[in-house]
Amino acid sequence: GNSVTQMEGPVTLSEEAFLTINCTYTATGYPSLFWYVQYPGEGLQLLLKATKADDKGSNKGFEATYRKETTSFHLEKGSVQVSDSAVYFCALNRPGGSQGNLIFGKGTKLSVKP
Amino acid sequence: EAGVVQSPRYKIIEKKQPVAFWCNPISGHNTLYWYLQNLGQGPELLIRYENEEAVDDSQLPKDRFSAERLKGVDSTLKIQPAELGDSAVYLCASSLDGDTGELFFGEGSRLTVL
Repeated sequence: GNSVTQMEGPVTLSEEAFLTINCTYTATGYPSLFWYVQYPGEGLQLLLKATKADDKGSNKGFEATYRKETTSFHLEKGSVQVSDSAVYFCALNRPGGSQGNLIFGKGTKLSVKP
Repeated sequence: EAGVVQSPRYKIIEKKQPVAFWCNPISGHNTLYWYLQNLGQGPELLIRYENEEAVDDSQLPKDRFSAERLKGVDSTLKIQPAELGDSAVYLCASSLDGDTGELFFGEGSRLTVL
């Protein structure tokens, strides 16, 4: 079945450090891939997405590239800020009919220290 | 524009008691989801509505859980009777298109069953 595997957290970085959060997936067909973020005390919100192989999603300095050959969608940011502290969820979606729902990874908690 | 609104934010009940959660989606969003999030896990879909119709309820434990979305707007999720293992966060989300994976989440209702 479809599934998402994320690197386990928590991840603790100093401000301005480089961030990578690994995400790999298993899916039939060609899913869309997403990163959602949950800031403290808030609901999940879409950070970025990619709908086909080699697409790069980007938002707020974060990037992720849909790699079909390695079934990966790793999240990266060149210089993190304290305000990036949150839980990050990788997810996939298979469009069409009743399969149009999200399958999430377990989440990776990021803490950025000043 | 108002986001997805859920209530109550927190609920503590004794086991075997009933509980209900309410969700008001973003105006104009036809697709509504209820997700369950256990501690340290990613959200898992319970039920998905397209307007008034439940198009995917395969993961809803129907012996004790029920949901409704009257008039295709607000939705209620009920548990009766609650069990200790039901302690979790219940998330409501909505989207314009049920197949894109771009969901807007509420802040969630945290249930504690004693």
